[in-house]
Amino acid sequence: DSGVTQTPKHLITATGQRVTLRCSPRSGDLSVYWYQQSLDQGLQFLIQYYNGEERAKGNILERFSAQQFPDLHSELNLSSLELGDSALYFCASSVDGIRTDTQYFGPGTRLTVL
Amino acid sequence: AQSVTQLDSQVPVFEEAPVELRCNYSSSVSVYLFWYVQYPNQGLQLLLKYLSGSTLVKGINGFEAEFNKSQTSFHLRKPSVHISDTAEYFCAVTQGTSGTYKYIFGTGTRLKVLA
Repeated sequence: DSGVTQTPKHLITATGQRVTLRCSPRSGDLSVYWYQQSLDQGLQFLIQYYNGEERAKGNILERFSAQQFPDLHSELNLSSLELGDSALYFCASSVDGIRTDTQYFGPGTRLTVL
Repeated sequence: AQSVTQLDSQVPVFEEAPVELRCNYSSSVSVYLFWYVQYPNQGLQLLLKYLSGSTLVKGINGFEAEFNKSQTSFHLRKPSVHISDTAEYFCAVTQGTSGTYKYIFGTGTRLKVLA
């Protein structure tokens, strides 16, 4: 158990809908990262937050947005969902959000778009 | 831009045999390299990382990796594998500067340990 929690574990929804994925980092970690894992794209970095501020952006679509709240939990919002958004979404956290940090991954949220 | 190549998508190996999972990176600047393992239906877990210093890095579960700057490689090795090592292994490199960076992951190598 990494100490990172993600809810829900599974999510099934329809195209065009909007969903919110939630992540609670390990106690003491200030940085949160979001990743998308799919069979065709592999593991893709989406976005990083540090202490409430966006720090780095990866391959995140404009239909997706995220935020980190004062209590350091984070939410990833996915809107206008398409079939291709079906994937496993991971959240990770680290202490300082720097290059040398170890990232601790949550168990993931499996999103299925029908 | 930095990138990571894991040439082997699948590696079958018999139990108690040695294994090497290959990882090559491309970068013109100093790098930090990581190996993560993903067991079925779980998130990723750090095996080991190279930041600086000794090029031989020891990690958890008996794994080790060697950083080779001239060959731009960071291959993962274990002298004797167990059935429980069956998992997917990801090599990763950080891109960017301290404070604003992202991980670049390889496509993964699925290690299948056979009885």
